[in-house]
Amino acid sequence: AQSVTQLGSHVSVSEGALVLLRCNYSSSVPPYLFWYVQYPNQGLQLLLKYTSAATLVKGINGFEAEFKKSETSFHLTKPSAHMSDAAEYFCAVSERHGQNFVFGPGTRLSVLP
Amino acid sequence: DAEITQSPRHKITETGRQVTLACHQTWNHNNMFWYRQDLGHGLRLIHYSYGVQDTNKGEVSDGYSVSRSNTEDLPLTLESAASSQTSVYFCASSALGLAGENEQFFGPGTRLTVL
Repeated sequence: AQSVTQLGSHVSVSEGALVLLRCNYSSSVPPYLFWYVQYPNQGLQLLLKYTSAATLVKGINGFEAEFKKSETSFHLTKPSAHMSDAAEYFCAVSERHGQNFVFGPGTRLSVLP
Repeated sequence: DAEITQSPRHKITETGRQVTLACHQTWNHNNMFWYRQDLGHGLRLIHYSYGVQDTNKGEVSDGYSVSRSNTEDLPLTLESAASSQTSVYFCASSALGLAGENEQFFGPGTRLTVL
């Protein structure tokens, strides 16, 4: 069975600092990978997705993620945090030929002034 | 613009009552999903459907049921609400993909409290 781990349930960074949110997956076949963001009292919104076209994926709001097969990782980064980035972030995996996702437990990002 | 809506947004009910949460999407997506979100557990899949008349159990389906009579709607029913079902419920939909590459689009959520 697939699983997704997100190291750190809560990450705090200063405004302007690098954001790094970690995601590791276990999959027996090359997966599709997704990052979602959830702002308070809202649904999940897609940030970016990896579907094998390129290992470095750029998303909305200045976020990007790199797929590293050897490390089974898909970490999310942003060079400079903004106050508006404070939210919950979820990594998800979809196994090829499957329609369902497995979500990680989420990482809450706080941005300090 | 296409969207996915959920109603009600907030619901308070009593233990033992039957509750139905509505989900309606105008994306014309084949796939629809129901999740619950609880602190410390992330999102857990309750039920899902790949098309009309198709329904499947997810990870935490006990006490829940769904039916899919058309493309647009997937209502979630709690047969006899329990306090353990107090949670935030999200509906999602996605296009049928050949290889699972399509993202899921989420509704705004329903906050359910069972007293």
